[in-house]
Amino acid sequence: GQQVMQIPQYQHVQEGEDFTTYCNSSTTLSNIQWYKQRPGGHPVFLIQLVKSGEVKKQKRLTFQFGEAKKNSSLHITATQTTDVGTYFCAGPDSGAGSYQLTFGKGTKLSVIP
Amino acid sequence: SQTIHQWPATLVQPVGSPLSLECTVEGTSNPNLYWYRQAAGRGLQLLFYSVGIGQISSEVPQNLSASRPQDRQFILSSKKLLLSDSGFYLCAWSVPQGRPVGYFGPGTRLTVT
Repeated sequence: GQQVMQIPQYQHVQEGEDFTTYCNSSTTLSNIQWYKQRPGGHPVFLIQLVKSGEVKKQKRLTFQFGEAKKNSSLHITATQTTDVGTYFCAGPDSGAGSYQLTFGKGTKLSVIP
Repeated sequence: SQTIHQWPATLVQPVGSPLSLECTVEGTSNPNLYWYRQAAGRGLQLLFYSVGIGQISSEVPQNLSASRPQDRQFILSSKKLLLSDSGFYLCAWSVPQGRPVGYFGPGTRLTVT
């Protein structure tokens, strides 16, 4: 079945440093989504990328979708303590009419003040 | 706007006891509904999804079951809990057509003792 892999699993950064997490799919994705889960909370949808090579920004967060639509990245510039949490990527399962998302295992970000 | 409710927020149950977790969605019709489980520090495992009343698809063999008695109600049940059923249970919904995006409820933390 489809697999979505994320690296790194953990990342510790000093406040103000940049952070990047990478997501790779075993199959071509129609779209890719990113979620953030704060400690003790539930995943919250951040963004969806659809087009090949697409780049979207949300303040200090930059999301990219690869040209082959099999990989994606999330980059945070100048991390803050509010960025702490686990970031998940997810892609819809291949197959027509699929209602399911396959999630990566997430990257847990710790920010040292 | 749409909201999703889950209860209870936390639950401690003995091994062998029954389980019933409820999820309701407001502000949308005919949503796709999902149950996920997240073990401590791990990724999201899809347990069940439903595209309509009475329609349940199971992703993993287990001693859990799901039901959808009403359009916006999704219930997760077990007749006899196992220690391995401990985890964070998340209900999510997505729009009925188009690209599935997961909007998660606050979750239920279940500890089986």
